[in-house]
Amino acid sequence: AQRVTQPEKLLSVFKGAPVELKCNYSYSGSPELFWYVQYSRQRLQLLLRHISRESIKGFTADLNKGETSFHLKKPFAQEEDSAMYYCALMPGGGNKLTFGTGTQLKVEL
Amino acid sequence: DAGVIQSPRHEVTEMGQEVTLRCKPISGHDYLFWYRQTMMRGLELLIYFNNNVPIDDSGMPEDRFSAKMPNASFSTLKIQPSEPRDSAVYFCASSSSGTGDSPLHFGNGTRLTVT
Repeated sequence: AQRVTQPEKLLSVFKGAPVELKCNYSYSGSPELFWYVQYSRQRLQLLLRHISRESIKGFTADLNKGETSFHLKKPFAQEEDSAMYYCALMPGGGNKLTFGTGTQLKVEL
Repeated sequence: DAGVIQSPRHEVTEMGQEVTLRCKPISGHDYLFWYRQTMMRGLELLIYFNNNVPIDDSGMPEDRFSAKMPNASFSTLKIQPSEPRDSAVYFCASSSSGTGDSPLHFGNGTRLTVT
């Protein structure tokens, strides 16, 4: 069975500080990993996926198969980054997207 | 495109009543997903459809929950009878291929409160 763990319910950082949202997963095969974000009063939307290996809004995430992690990072937090972030896993070639419990990021001035 | 449309946005009902949540996916999307969001469990997949056919309903909590997709543009999630522990935000999402190549597009959700 696939499982996604986000250990922090709330993460509070100051503007300009580095951000790291933790995500660990368990899955026996080759998964696809994603980060979804929900800004206040907006719909949940895709932020990035590990296959793309791109930086979105300054965020990056590297899939570490040895540690089964997919942490989301940004070197300098901005106020507009405050949102709810969900890590998600899909089995390779599959359809079922499993989400973690989410981390609320709060960027303080 | 207005995106995935869910109705109602808010629903307050008494325990024991029937509740029906509605979803209109994005036109052309072959996959439709129902998720439930709670503080404790985050986003849980309840059921998903491909071409109107239920593929995996293993996340449906119990027989009180049922979902249908009579056509490509409409799906319902029904709870009968409702209980206070069903209080949550229910999201509908659709995608074109169901694989990682096409992201899930979420609706605004229905906030259900059962008293």
